Amino acid sequence: NAGVTQTPKFQVLKTGQSMTLQCAQDMNHEYMSWYRQDPGMGLRLIHYSVGAGITDQGEVPNGYNVSRSTTEDFPLRLLSAAPSQTSVYFCASSQDRANTGELFFGEGSRLTVL
Amino acid sequence: AQSVTQPDIHITVSEGASLELRCNYSYGATPYLFWYVQSPGQGLQLLLKYFSGDTLVQGIKGFEAEFKRSQSSFNLRKPSVHWSDAAEYFCAVGPAWGGYNKLIFGAGTRLAVHP
Repeated sequence: NAGVTQTPKFQVLKTGQSMTLQCAQDMNHEYMSWYRQDPGMGLRLIHYSVGAGITDQGEVPNGYNVSRSTTEDFPLRLLSAAPSQTSVYFCASSQDRANTGELFFGEGSRLTVL
Repeated sequence: AQSVTQPDIHITVSEGASLELRCNYSYGATPYLFWYVQSPGQGLQLLLKYFSGDTLVQGIKGFEAEFKRSQSSFNLRKPSVHWSDAAEYFCAVGPAWGGYNKLIFGAGTRLAVHP
């Protein structure tokens, strides 16, 4: 029972490099999202999707792109990494569009930008 | 402004002792309230949620939380803490029947448990 799978778990980048954080879920969930977690700030929403082909911005979208070509996958792209993007990133999904259910989280991806 | 405040950044308790983690919120509309737990190296897991009705809600792992509208609080409690409860705990608030994109998370409280 895989749930929400994120890769890689750890990544070190140099400023200006690009990379993609992968997120896949096997629960046929419509809703998927990306958060970043920074010390003392809790989780902040980067982007989210309510279904294949539909994405929207969250609270802190600058510097990140997403796409949702399938129900299962929701990759997060950093086009030109900056030190301010050093963080722990979480992907989450839910079968509900309304917040009456549960968000299922991946184990996180720790990104360091030098 | 809408916000969630968890006043305690770190809490240390002895195994077997009782626990209360505080959560205060500022929210204009009727809120839905949640507690999530993040064990070391893991993603967040839902402990419990409050939508309406009985203000004392039960969750998994023996946790409960009480909604107090007059105090804008949703404190998490456990009568006897186990070493495996050591984790970070997040309170979250969102609009009634709103989307998950409207959830606001607190900064978290890290719980340490002494044997």
